[in-house]
Amino acid sequence: EVQLVESGGGLVQPGGSLRLSCAASGFTFSSYWMSWVRQAPGKGLEWVANIKQDGSEKYYVDSVKGRFTISRDNAKNSLYLQMNSLRAEDTAVYYCARDVRGRRGSYYYYYMDVWGKGTTVTVSS
Amino acid sequence: QSVLTQPPSVSAAPGQKVTISCSGSSSNIGNNYVSWYQQLPGTAPKLLIYDNNKRPSGIPDRFSGSKSGTSATLGITGLQTGDEADYYCGTWDSSLRVLVFGGGTKLTVL
Repeated sequence: EVQLVESGGGLVQPGGSLRLSCAASGFTFSSYWMSWVRQAPGKGLEWVANIKQDGSEKYYVDSVKGRFTISRDNAKNSLYLQMNSLRAEDTAVYYCARDVRGRRGSYYYYYMDVWGKGTTVTVSS
Repeated sequence: QSVLTQPPSVSAAPGQKVTISCSGSSSNIGNNYVSWYQQLPGTAPKLLIYDNNKRPSGIPDRFSGSKSGTSATLGITGLQTGDEADYYCGTWDSSLRVLVFGGGTKLTVL
């Protein structure tokens, strides 16, 4: 069964750090781009970051650039999100997701076909 | 403020049909493929439609997607109470160079 399981969420004070993990199983992890997507309480989905199959390319939403770092360990089938200098507005459920992306002519396709159940991050004093 | 615009809510009776719109621009929907996600209460999002109108294995054909210009539409026929959920559209934005989502639409089956 294809599965993603997040862990590492919790309560942290503003300015603190947290490291999220995502364990993948049931598919060839090293063959896929992977993303983190978050959802603040009562709000919609927001893509946070993604990483190429070999880790050579990483992209972030502007609001987390310089504070969050995405990484992966293909030998351990694991994805990570190191979150530093956390702010109240980072409070959200963080989902790990498998990317399917590419280009047909001038058109891009990009969607997430497998999602984890999420881990909750609360930034509060 | 989301890059893609969806109505906050829609409603219809069981057995009826409903459509959910997703409006964007030439930098996103107009020149890229659209996907749709269903998020049942308290659960993770689930891929419903990809490449504008394709359904992953296991998604019933009651769900359909279409795209015209800079707008996309999700259609659901034969509504069931189990379809009550939040629905999100998503696509690549070639100008922002990020994946963008709509703000989400809450479907109520009366």
